Amino acid sequence: DAGVTQSPTHLIKTRGQHVTLRCSPISGHKSVSWYQQVLGQGPQFIFQYYEKEERGRGNFPDRFSARQFPNYSSELNVNALLLGDSALYLCASSSPLGIGTDTQYFGPGTRLTVL
Amino acid sequence: GIQVEQSPPDLILQEGANSTLRCNFSDSVNNLQWFHQNPWGQLINLFYIPSGTKQNGRLSATTVATERYSLLYISSSQTTDSGVYFCAVGPSSNFGNEKLTFGTGTRLTIIP
Repeated sequence: DAGVTQSPTHLIKTRGQHVTLRCSPISGHKSVSWYQQVLGQGPQFIFQYYEKEERGRGNFPDRFSARQFPNYSSELNVNALLLGDSALYLCASSSPLGIGTDTQYFGPGTRLTVL
Repeated sequence: GIQVEQSPPDLILQEGANSTLRCNFSDSVNNLQWFHQNPWGQLINLFYIPSGTKQNGRLSATTVATERYSLLYISSSQTTDSGVYFCAVGPSSNFGNEKLTFGTGTRLTIIP
């Protein structure tokens, strides 16, 4: 079975632009979470979606938004990009319960560079 | 929110040596995972271990939930073990929410 997949793998944008990152969970997983990892730090939680509903939100500005589709894939959108948004964006999926008591599996990430 | 501290921040060992990585957390947890992040950024699952002891080949982990710490043991280190090791926890107060809080990681370098 395929693991968590993310696209694109790399992306270069300029300040003020908008970006959309995509994630497909492991087959059968209904929960998708997004994390931002700045160089030299651990990943930080942005959002969790389960059955198309937001279950959790981290301490990120409203420029960050996400959604989940009926097939459980997800998009992360970031508006008005800032230099500080340059990071590795990771997507994780977990089992159908999605309640926080199961293993989370991470995708390979999208590396975003903002110039 | 919950605080997660990992030690040591950096560890340099000769191939074949053993190592112990520590993770301290500030609240009760319903999820604790250890990850290895490779040079390309992929987070590789090592253990899901909110309590107890598990072993997988040369790696083992122990979580003492009542004392709020977890240990990752790596025996007979190989150069492929190099990378950053993260501990991540989901506090029990987040039941129904899958937020993981990550530590700052331990950078392990194995010298041939």
